[in-house]
Amino acid sequence: EVQLVESGGGLVQPGRSLRLSCVASGFDFDDFAMHWVRQAPGKGLEWVSGISWNSGTIEYAGSMGGRFAISRDNARNSLYLQMSSLRAEDTALYYCTSDRGATLSDGFDIWGQGTMVTVSS
Amino acid sequence: QSVLTQPPSTSGTPGQRVTISCSGSLSNIGSKYVYWYQQLPGTAPRLLIYRINERPSGVPDRFSGSRSGSSASLAISGLRSEDEAEYYCAAWDDSLSGVVFGGGTKLTVL
Repeated sequence: EVQLVESGGGLVQPGRSLRLSCVASGFDFDDFAMHWVRQAPGKGLEWVSGISWNSGTIEYAGSMGGRFAISRDNARNSLYLQMSSLRAEDTALYYCTSDRGATLSDGFDIWGQGTMVTVSS
Repeated sequence: QSVLTQPPSTSGTPGQRVTISCSGSLSNIGSKYVYWYQQLPGTAPRLLIYRINERPSGVPDRFSGSRSGSSASLAISGLRSEDEAEYYCAAWDDSLSGVVFGGGTKLTVL
């Protein structure tokens, strides 16, 4: 079964850090680019970051630059998002999603169920 | 404010044809592929249309996409109650070097 499973979310204080993980199964993870997309409660979708199949190309949404770091470990079929200096506005459901292609971006065709990050004191 | 502009809501009756618009600019829709996602309540998004007008396997041919200049549209024909969902357009933006989404359109089937 094709699957993406996120973990690592939770309640965190403003200014602290959090690392999200996503494990893929059922497809050739190292053939595809991967992304993080978030959705604040009651709001729309917002692309966070993407990484090509070999980590050669990495991009971030402007508002996330400098605070977030995306990475992948193809040997472990895993995608990561290191988030630092977290703000209340980072509160959202974070989805891991795979690209249709190896580079950025040709549509997101596999989605996880998301991991919730709540930034609050 | 989203880079791509969609109407917040639309509605239709069963069997009807509805369209959802998505307006962008030359740096995104005007020069890049457009993608559409469907998000049913409480679930993860699902890819509905890729590369402007292509459907992934399993997506009914009632769903179709098109582009004209820097705007795109999603059309749903033979509307069904299970089509009630939020719909998002997306595209790569060369100026921003990233993916941009529309704000979403909530489709209500009356």
